[in-house]
Amino acid sequence: SYVLTQPPSVSVAPGQTARITCGGNNIGSKSVHWYQQKPGQAPVLVVYEDSDRPSGIPERFSGSNSGNTATLTISRVEAGDEADYYCQVWDSSSNNIPFGGGSKLTVL
Amino acid sequence: QVQLQESGPGLVKPSETLSLSCSVSGGSISSTSYYWGWIRQPPGKGLEWIGGIYYSGDTYYNPSLKSRVTISVDTSKNQFSLKLRSVTAADTAVYYCARHRIVVVTPTYFYYYEMDVWGQGTTVTVSS
Repeated sequence: SYVLTQPPSVSVAPGQTARITCGGNNIGSKSVHWYQQKPGQAPVLVVYEDSDRPSGIPERFSGSNSGNTATLTISRVEAGDEADYYCQVWDSSSNNIPFGGGSKLTVL
Repeated sequence: QVQLQESGPGLVKPSETLSLSCSVSGGSISSTSYYWGWIRQPPGKGLEWIGGIYYSGDTYYNPSLKSRVTISVDTSKNQFSLKLRSVTAADTAVYYCARHRIVVVTPTYFYYYEMDVWGQGTTVTVSS
């Protein structure tokens, strides 16, 4: 099965840039989607198809995907960005839709 | 604006069947652009995709759960349902339903993309 690897935690000071990675074998050949989940709430889509933003998501959220790593970048981090972030792909070879293990973003 | 709402028992006994429904409002479940899926999250853990269904009845399941899962759709009620058989404590989780964007390549082959609308989730505990 296809495995997505995320760092368990990422810490950043307010106003700085947070980068959350999602590793997978040749992930650059897949479409990667990112979700934000705050405590007690359902996940919210923040980036889809590697780098597109749904309406209502601030431009501070961006994404990239190349080689074996996809990255969610959050610029000018705010306290309200503190949450768990998950990456997700579709793996046609294993007929599965895996999520990464999640990364907890802490705003210092 | 499409909204999803899960419903079903919050407590299920071990070895029994977990049954949940997801009602879709603000849009048609018969849209050709979406699958309708289930995802779960055990306490303190990450997200796990369970499976999904197209309005035609075509289904797609997580291989690790496939032997215990059935997902069905009722287009007349604009809702879809999940049944998970032979549950154990490991099936205790928050269960979410979600809308899953797809591209139809052939009537039986799809490209799966993002889950853009989620229900609020419902907690299911497996305990005697």
